[in-house]
Amino acid sequence: EDQVTQSPEALRLQEGESSSLNCSYTVSGLRGLFWYRQDPGKGPEFLFTLYSAGEEKEKERLKATLTKKESFLHITAPKPEDSATYLCAVWFSGGYNKLIFGAGTRLAVHP
Amino acid sequence: DARVTQTPRHKVTEMGQEVTMRCQPILGHNTVFWYRQTMMQGLELLAYFRNRAPLDDSGMPKDRFSAEMPDATLATLKIQPSEPRDSAVYFCASGSRQGGHEQYFGPGTRLTVT
Repeated sequence: EDQVTQSPEALRLQEGESSSLNCSYTVSGLRGLFWYRQDPGKGPEFLFTLYSAGEEKEKERLKATLTKKESFLHITAPKPEDSATYLCAVWFSGGYNKLIFGAGTRLAVHP
Repeated sequence: DARVTQTPRHKVTEMGQEVTMRCQPILGHNTVFWYRQTMMQGLELLAYFRNRAPLDDSGMPKDRFSAEMPDATLATLKIQPSEPRDSAVYFCASGSRQGGHEQYFGPGTRLTVT
């Protein structure tokens, strides 16, 4: 069964304390993996697309990496404004443009 | 600044009433998606369209939900009759192949059915 699992469910960090979020997937024929950020009361905001194993993308304090089985979202020296829920989603063969979303990781960064 | 817009932003209705939610996708995007988000289930895909044609609505309860795209600038999601278990946030998203297949989400409609 096609599945996307994110860990941990929740993460509390001190400002400046770097960490990583994990997204593991079991789908047939991965065509793309997407990371989104969601703030309370808002729609998910697109962050990155990764298409092949070994690919990396960076944006400010965030860096996303992709292997054949999982993706990591590394957060370097986080700030309180990085607090949000981070969602990953996969696009796979036979899914047309359909994405399967993980349940998300709730990140709280405290000063 | 191109954005997906959704109306209404909030809707409170009584069980049994009809609810219509509207979405204006980003101009030029040819795929439109409807999602439902709850604390328990997370983001669930309800239906999606490409070039206004429905491609998959397997996530929708067919007896009460319907989705349409009357034209390229409007997508609608209708619930009739509504039930308390339909209470959730409904998101519309749009995307394009040229854009790399990522989806851009609207602000959502928070539906409460009492």
